[in-house]
Order: sequence, then C-alpha cells, then structure tokens
Amino acid sequence: AQKITQTQPGMFVQEKEAVTLDCTYDTSDQSYGLFWYKQPSSGEMIFLIYQGSYDEQNATEGRYSLNFQKARKSANLVISASQLGDSAMYFCAMREMKTSYDKVIFGPGTSLSVIP
Amino acid sequence: DTAVSQTPKYLVTQMGNDKSIKCEQNLGHDTMYWYKQDSKKFLKIMFSYNNKELIINETVPNRFSPKSPDKAHLNLHINSLELGDSAVYFCASSQGRGLSRDTEAFFGQGTRLTVV
Repeated sequence: AQKITQTQPGMFVQEKEAVTLDCTYDTSDQSYGLFWYKQPSSGEMIFLIYQGSYDEQNATEGRYSLNFQKARKSANLVISASQLGDSAMYFCAMREMKTSYDKVIFGPGTSLSVIP
Repeated sequence: DTAVSQTPKYLVTQMGNDKSIKCEQNLGHDTMYWYKQDSKKFLKIMFSYNNKELIINETVPNRFSPKSPDKAHLNLHINSLELGDSAVYFCASSQGRGLSRDTEAFFGQGTRLTVV
C-alpha cells in the first residue's frame, strides 16, 4: 500500500504567487522524518526542507515552508513568491525508523509549472 | 567536488547484456542506497547498505546485485538486462539515524539506462 500520497499529479501557479503541494503519509511509528525534494528537468534531486515528527514548529527554509499537521498525517510544502525556476517535480519523502535501520521512501511526486 | 558521483550518466545496451553502474560518495556517510525511477517518475528504493552491509533488499530480481567494497562505494551490477529495466537509477547516501535534518539523503546525478 502506498505510504505517501501526493494527490496532485500536476499543478500550475502564476509567477510570484504562493503554491501549496499536498503530501499525506501513513505510518504507525511515533518517530519519523519528512523531507521534500525538487527534481528539475535536468534530473538531479535537490533537498529542500525537513520536518521531524517531534518538531513542534513548522520548518522553514527561505521561500519554502512545511505545513505539518501531525494528527492529520499531512506535510504540505508551501512555496512563496514562485519563480520560473521552481518549475520541477516535487517529491515528498518519509524516513521510517526501523529497529536496526532507517528507510527513506518517496511519494509519486507533483509536477509544478510556474507560468510567467 | 561532487558529493555523490555515479558513472556512467547514460547507458544504452541490448537485451541480455550485463552492465554495471558505479557510485562513490565523499561525504563520509555510512549508509548508501540505490533507487529506481521509472518513466512515470516514481522513485522506488531497491537496496540500502550500512557500513558495507546489505540492510534493505526490496524484492528486486536477483539479476540485480549490489556490491559495496567499502563504505564510500556502492556499485550495481545487472545481469541479463530486460526491456523493463530501462529507467533512471539513482545512488544516494546519508549519515546517521534518527530525527535530524542532517540525515537528508544526498543523491547522485542518476544513470539513465536504456535497454534496446
């Protein structure tokens, strides 16, 4: 079963506007980490932002912020003041902490297109 | 200096051939991964190694054999290549366990494998 759901396969946003990319996850663990990565058309995977399951404050990194709602198991990425260079695939990921190892799994991704 | 480097970047080969992809990281990380990204951009974990030991094998066909000669290197050998193996293969590394922003995974640039 899919553990990470990104319900928006494709999104459009006007340049300079804010956009929210949805991510919900499924885990029975209390300890886990949530990540967002960006993959531009050139193909590399770029780390954007991290939220730990015990972090009480929402994470922020520059124009990126993570709207973490633990009870709803959602970790939405908010990009403020969109730029043309933000056009890319965005992946939500979760680090599961097992007894002897950690495992990072990814959602299916959301393709974001920024319109001038 | 590139943190996680994979070679080759592109690989075109015929069905039935055997090929290898090499990965090296200079970050001093103790965990390395192989991910497969299919044509729909879905990223699926294949293997994970911690200090040269295999810790995750996600029901990958045994034609795929990872090898970690030391904790800085994780190579992927594929026997008897099939059309369905065509994908982008990403190597990644991370340090430590648990809930920390520093446990983010660093990715190589990917190897685009095309089987004809």
